[in-house]
Amino acid sequence: DGGITQSPKYLFRKEGQNVTLSCEQNLNHDAMYWYRQDPGQGLRLIYYSQIVNDFQKGDIAEGYSVSREKKESFPLTVTSAQKNPTAFYLCASRDDGGHQPQHFGDGTRLSIL
Amino acid sequence: QKEVEQNSGPLSVPEGAIASLNCTYSDRVSQSFFWYRQYSGKSPELIMSIYSNGDKEDGRFTAQLNKASQYVSLLIRDSQPSDSATYLCAVTSYNTDKLIFGTGTRLQVFP
Repeated sequence: DGGITQSPKYLFRKEGQNVTLSCEQNLNHDAMYWYRQDPGQGLRLIYYSQIVNDFQKGDIAEGYSVSREKKESFPLTVTSAQKNPTAFYLCASRDDGGHQPQHFGDGTRLSIL
Repeated sequence: QKEVEQNSGPLSVPEGAIASLNCTYSDRVSQSFFWYRQYSGKSPELIMSIYSNGDKEDGRFTAQLNKASQYVSLLIRDSQPSDSATYLCAVTSYNTDKLIFGTGTRLQVFP
């Protein structure tokens, strides 16, 4: 089945540790996105990528890093510089075209130990 | 002023009634408008998209767009308890690849 796979479903981070969240899609979409959602909040854009080997900062990129070495994959690293990482992280992808919607993976819930 | 505004709710309606969810946006050049449904603890799921002024119907859902008033709404007819969720409005501009989300309206449908 085509879709977006995020792993792991739950992740715990220790103080000073970097952790990487995986996002893989087999929809052949060029554009991929990472969002953060806090309780009772909307989605805030962390990073996005419109093409392989290129990505742009979103509204809250500080403390995060990404790579886009393959079209199918867009991993997000939450670095130790991100002091409040506890949140629900959502990966999305989108087909080319002016009116195409974004489709989401199932999300990764990150907590601090 | 927030770019996309929604009433946080909860909006409570009885089973079988029409639920009306509203969203206003600030960017006059916005071109694409989406409604996502998000159950508690789950990821958002696309339920409707609309690009032109007027109404667009899909089953029990109708999206309404008024670009002059910068207003988009979602009507859910014959509401069911399974419709209880948070509904997110999202807006994009033609010349950007980004979606701006509202904070969502929580809908509760009681039997």
